[in-house]
Amino acid sequence: DGGITQSPKYLFRKEGQNVTLSCEQNLNHDAMYWYRQDPGQGLRLIYYSQIVNDFQKGDIAEGYSVSREKKESFPLTVTSAQKNPTAFYLCASSIGGAHSNQPQHFGDGTRLSIL
Amino acid sequence: GESVGLHLPTLSVQEGDNSIINCAYSNSASDYFIWYKQESGKGPQFIIDIRSNMDKRQGQRVTVLLNKTVKHLSLQIAATQPGDSAVYFCAENYDSWGKLQFGAGTQVVVTP
Repeated sequence: DGGITQSPKYLFRKEGQNVTLSCEQNLNHDAMYWYRQDPGQGLRLIYYSQIVNDFQKGDIAEGYSVSREKKESFPLTVTSAQKNPTAFYLCASSIGGAHSNQPQHFGDGTRLSIL
Repeated sequence: GESVGLHLPTLSVQEGDNSIINCAYSNSASDYFIWYKQESGKGPQFIIDIRSNMDKRQGQRVTVLLNKTVKHLSLQIAATQPGDSAVYFCAENYDSWGKLQFGAGTQVVVTP
């Protein structure tokens, strides 16, 4: 089945530790996105990538980093500089391209908590 | 599973009734809008979309209405079922590269 796979489903971070969240898609989509979701709020964009080897900061990129070495993979690293990392992280992908007006499709998220 | 919307507006609907979920969007230049459904502990699921050159679009049991004059979007669910209980988000496409701006969401609770 085509889709987006996020792993792990639950992740715990110790103080001062970097952790990496995995996102893989087999939809052959060019564009990929990372969002953060906090209770009572909508999704906020962390980073996005329109094409392999290129990515841009979203609205809340501080304390996060990404890479896009392969079309199907867009891992997110939550660094120790992110002081409030506890949240639900969602990865999405879309066909991409300018003016494409296509929906983003989401994985089932990773819930990150502080130990 | 854990709730993803602890303090969201809540719409209580009796099973079998029609639901209407409203959303005000912010950017008059937005040209594409999407409704998503999110169940507890899962990612948002695409329901229906609409482009700004349309006022209405229908899917299976769902209808989206767009009023560009007042920047308002609504989702109507016909004959609401227990499986429709979830948080519903609207999203607007605010740039030409597909970036979306999400609303805070509405919790829909279907009662028997």
